[in-house]
Amino acid sequence: GAGVSQSPSNKVTEKGKDVELRCDPISGHTALYWYRQSLGQGLEFLIYFQGNSAPDKSGLPSDRFSAERTGGSVSTLTIQRTQQEDSAVYLCASRGGRDSSYEQYFGPGTRLTVT
Amino acid sequence: GNSVTQMEGPVTLSEEAFLTINCTYTATGYPSLFWYVQYPGEGLQLLLKATKADDKGSNKGFEATYRKETTSFHLEKGSVQVSDSAVYFCALSDLRNQGGKLIFGQGTELSVKP
Repeated sequence: GAGVSQSPSNKVTEKGKDVELRCDPISGHTALYWYRQSLGQGLEFLIYFQGNSAPDKSGLPSDRFSAERTGGSVSTLTIQRTQQEDSAVYLCASRGGRDSSYEQYFGPGTRLTVT
Repeated sequence: GNSVTQMEGPVTLSEEAFLTINCTYTATGYPSLFWYVQYPGEGLQLLLKATKADDKGSNKGFEATYRKETTSFHLEKGSVQVSDSAVYFCALSDLRNQGGKLIFGQGTELSVKP
């Protein structure tokens, strides 16, 4: 079946602009995670959605970052007033139901470059 | 908080050499441990996992044993191939207490020469 997809694959934006990154998880997966991969910080957790529960936002680096998940499926990560330090690869992952395997399946990522 | 520390790279080996990449962790609760691999130009893939102490995860000739007494999960392979060249990430998650979010080590780049 289809894996996790993300769009766009690459995004170049000017400092100060807002960007939206999209993630389509594997159909039926109830858990969805966003991570960021950057040279300076490695792989960092950003936010986690599980079903209809309130999301775990503990990894968001600033209030410029937000995310939502509509209808328990597609998720959008929004970065407002982008800064150069936001340049990174943003990864989305999904996982099956609460009692399923621990494995998270990752998408190919969106490479964000802030100029 | 929970954390993972892994051996710094890059690591360069000749084909058929023995590989060890060290990984240690700090965690409360009962984490599961993982090795993820990122091949050049590709996304993150799960290589192997262990969900409780003394479990051994294995895949594609790679192995790692969950050692609670030494808080370690070292990755080993007896004979590496050029195709194993990639970046390897050790990670932990605590599904019961933290929703399964992955905490990653800094990654170790492996280069295998023919």
